[in-house]
Amino acid sequence: DAGVTQSPTHLIKTRGQHVTLRCSPISGHKSVSWYQQVLGQGPQFIFQYYEKEERGRGNFPDRFSARQFPNYSSELNVNALLLGDSALYLCASRRTGISGNEKLFFGSGTQLSVL
Amino acid sequence: DAKTTQPPSMDCAEGRAANLPCNHSTISGNEYVYWYRQIHSQGPQYIIHGLKNNETNEMASLIITEDRKSSTLILPHATLRDTAVYYCIVRVSSGTYKYIFGTGTRLKVLA
Repeated sequence: DAGVTQSPTHLIKTRGQHVTLRCSPISGHKSVSWYQQVLGQGPQFIFQYYEKEERGRGNFPDRFSARQFPNYSSELNVNALLLGDSALYLCASRRTGISGNEKLFFGSGTQLSVL
Repeated sequence: DAKTTQPPSMDCAEGRAANLPCNHSTISGNEYVYWYRQIHSQGPQYIIHGLKNNETNEMASLIITEDRKSSTLILPHATLRDTAVYYCIVRVSSGTYKYIFGTGTRLKVLA
C-alpha cells in the first residue's frame, strides 16, 4: 500500500508569493494533519482535519490555511510568503476509531525555500 | 511549548544497546508517549508508543517509569542504519489530535 504522498517535493518561491502544498493520505485514513519543521527543530503542529472539518489549529498566522477534500486529500496554502516560512512541510494521516492505538504516518514532506 | 526534554546528542557502538532517555514531567494522566525517528529530513518514522506499561515491538522497547515522568527508548542492537534524530513526543489527549515535538536526540551509531 502507498504511504502518505506529498507534492511537490521541493519548491522555491519569492517573498510575497503564495504556495499550495498537496497531500494524499494512506487509503482508509480520514484524518490529515500538517506540520512545519524549521531546520534544526522538531516539527510544529499547524492543522488537523478530520472528515473535511478543521479540528485543530496551531499557533500560526492567518496566512496559513488548509482544507480537506471528499477523498480525504488535503491542501495547505500559505499566502504572502516570508523568508521565515522556509521549512519542511510535513503531512501526516491517521486511521481513526481505534482508541489508544492510533498513530500518525508521515509523508516525506515538501521542502519550501523562500528567497 | 515542548512537553519533553531529551539530550541533544548521543553516541552508541554498533551492536550495542542504545538507551535514549526522555523527561516528560508535566505529562497528564491520559497522555501517551510516542517515539519517532527522522533520517536526513525525511518524514518522521513511527517506532513505538505507550501510556503507562512497558512496551516492546520488533524495533524497540519502551520503558516508562511508574510515575510516568520519564521514559527510555531501547534499541537492543544498534546498527549504522539507526543513526537518526529520535523524538520523544507527548500526544495531546483533548480534542485535537496533535503531537508536541521537542528538539530530539541525534543518535550516532559508530562502527
